[in-house]
Order: sequence, then structure tokens, then C-alpha cells
Amino acid sequence: AQTVTQSQPEMSVQEAETVTLSCTYDTSENNYYLFWYKQPPSRQMILVIRQEAYKQQNATENRFSVNFQKAAKSFSLKISDSQLGDTAMYFCAFMNYGGSQGNLIFGKGTKLSVKP
Amino acid sequence: EAQVTQNPRYLITVTGKKLTVTCSQNMNHEYMSWYRQDPGLGLRQIYYSMNVEVTDKGDVPEGYKVSRKEKRNFPLILESPSPNQTSLYFCASSLSGQGRGYEQYFGPGTRLTVT
Repeated sequence: AQTVTQSQPEMSVQEAETVTLSCTYDTSENNYYLFWYKQPPSRQMILVIRQEAYKQQNATENRFSVNFQKAAKSFSLKISDSQLGDTAMYFCAFMNYGGSQGNLIFGKGTKLSVKP
Repeated sequence: EAQVTQNPRYLITVTGKKLTVTCSQNMNHEYMSWYRQDPGLGLRQIYYSMNVEVTDKGDVPEGYKVSRKEKRNFPLILESPSPNQTSLYFCASSLSGQGRGYEQYFGPGTRLTVT
């Protein structure tokens, strides 16, 4: 069974600085998808970034980028120029390719606080 | 506006009193799913539906029921709620559940407390 581990329960960063959130996963599959979701205090789940395992190029969305290391089964999220609005819980998630369940397997989350 | 809606947003109930949390999406998505979120555990899938009249158990289905009679609606039913079902519940939908990495769109969440 696949598992997703986020080893940092809480992190903080100063506004305008860069922070990296860690995520590792365990799977025997070769093709899959990885996601980072953001959950602000409003509780809404918002997709931040998505990575296909067959793509070697790391995904980037504005200030958000990932470092995808397939051999190490690592998928970290880098937030550049942190803003107060980035304060949220961040969840790393895994989805099998071709599976019939469409299930997202989530890590336990990292609570990020951006300080002024 | 494309969205997933859930009702109610907050619910306090007593043990054993049947309740239904509704979920509706307006994006013509085939796939819908229910998750529960508990502190320190992340989100875990309860039930999912690949299409109308097709539902199946997720990772934590005990104590829950679902139905998918229409494409847009996917209600979650708790026949006899217990305190261990106190949680934050999310409904989600996506274009397809065929493991193609389609984005899942989440509803706003329903905070359920069972006393």
C-alpha cells in the first residue's frame, strides 16, 4: 500500500523568505501523480501544484515549485517570496496512475506560518 | 461558477440520530468522493463513485452509506452516528476517477460533532 510522509508537523518563515516543505512517499508503482494541496484557515482545500511521475521536469506554478526526486521517492515544495496569505496547512498527496479508485492518499500535513 | 457545494456546513447531533450531508457539483464530473479529516491523520477516503449508480468503499467506510442516483449529487448518510464520527468531512469531484491525475475539486467542508 502507498504511504505519504510529511516529517515536519509545523514550520515558520519570515515574509519574503523562501521555505521548503518535505514529503516522501512509498510505492512500488512506476507511474503515478503527486500533488500539494493548501488548506488555509477557511478550511478550503486548494490545489497548489501537480507532478506526473513520468516527467523529469519539476513542476512550477508562480512562486511555488517542487523538487521531485523519483529514485529517492521525495517530493518537496518550495515557496519563494513567502506571503502572509501562504499561512496554511499543506498536504502532500499521491495518486496511482490507471487505478480505478481515483483515491488521493494524503500525508498528515505541515502547518506553515508566515510571520511579518 | 464551477463548484462543489456541501450542506450543512456545521452540524451538531446526538448519538444514533440519522443524518445526511449533501454534496452537489455543477461541473458534470463523473467521479465523486467523500473524505474525512482528523487532526494528525490527514484526509482519508470514505466512499467514492466512478459514475451514476457506481459506488465503492474507500479506506474508512464503516458507519457510512452513500448513493449516486444523479450525476451531480453524492450524499453521505450516517445511519446511526457515533462520537468517533466527529470530524471534518469533504466532498470532492473530478472529471474521471480513472487514475489520470485529474484535479479533484473539493467542497467547503462540513464540520460534524456527534455528542
